[in-house]
Amino acid sequence: GAGVSQSPRYKVAKRGQDVALRCDPISGHVSLFWYQQALGQGPEFLTYFQNEAQLDKSGLPSDRFFAERPEGSVSTLKIQRTQQEDSAVYLCASSSRTGQADNYGYTFGSGTRLTVV
Amino acid sequence: AQRVTQPEKLLSVFKGAPVELKCNYSYSGSPELFWYVQYSRQRLQLLLRHISRESIKGFTADLNKGETSFHLKKPFAQEEDSAMYYCALRAQYNFNKFYFGSGTKLNVKP
Repeated sequence: GAGVSQSPRYKVAKRGQDVALRCDPISGHVSLFWYQQALGQGPEFLTYFQNEAQLDKSGLPSDRFFAERPEGSVSTLKIQRTQQEDSAVYLCASSSRTGQADNYGYTFGSGTRLTVV
Repeated sequence: AQRVTQPEKLLSVFKGAPVELKCNYSYSGSPELFWYVQYSRQRLQLLLRHISRESIKGFTADLNKGETSFHLKKPFAQEEDSAMYYCALRAQYNFNKFYFGSGTKLNVKP
């Protein structure tokens, strides 16, 4: 596609409910990233994939958070037993490169706004 | 630990006035610094990075390692510059992760 696509755009979940957020990166982009952006804050890194391999998951806040990218394209971020503190915008980004030299290929999606009530 | 601080939540200037958005960082190594911008109802996008030493849309930013700062400047603000601006740092040992500041909302008044 032309850009990074995220769905749904908005999600309201009851506390304790499981949610799944989807990211469709730009076709052929090797690297995929998830960030969490709480209200009034900047994005915070959650996890990074290179193709289907999850190379860094150091930012996942708890074991309730799980991300996968089984075929190296679409990625899903799953949150189990959602809590109110999980309310945030979840941003996905993809890049055509894997190295340090390039950052212009780092394209963000519009995000999914998750509200836990 | 890496940290990026943007002390101003909101900055309001009149059109044609100079603007400076402050960014300070803490990092013991050699960082890469970036400015990202998010216009209303648009996606977060890269504005500029210190390595390029470029001017984008009239904006420049100089990395000052002595003061650990990377302030974003523009001599004459335009109304279309109104947006959220985020300063971000990337560590030399892990270039797959950005550390973002909390952002500054720039409002350019006519």
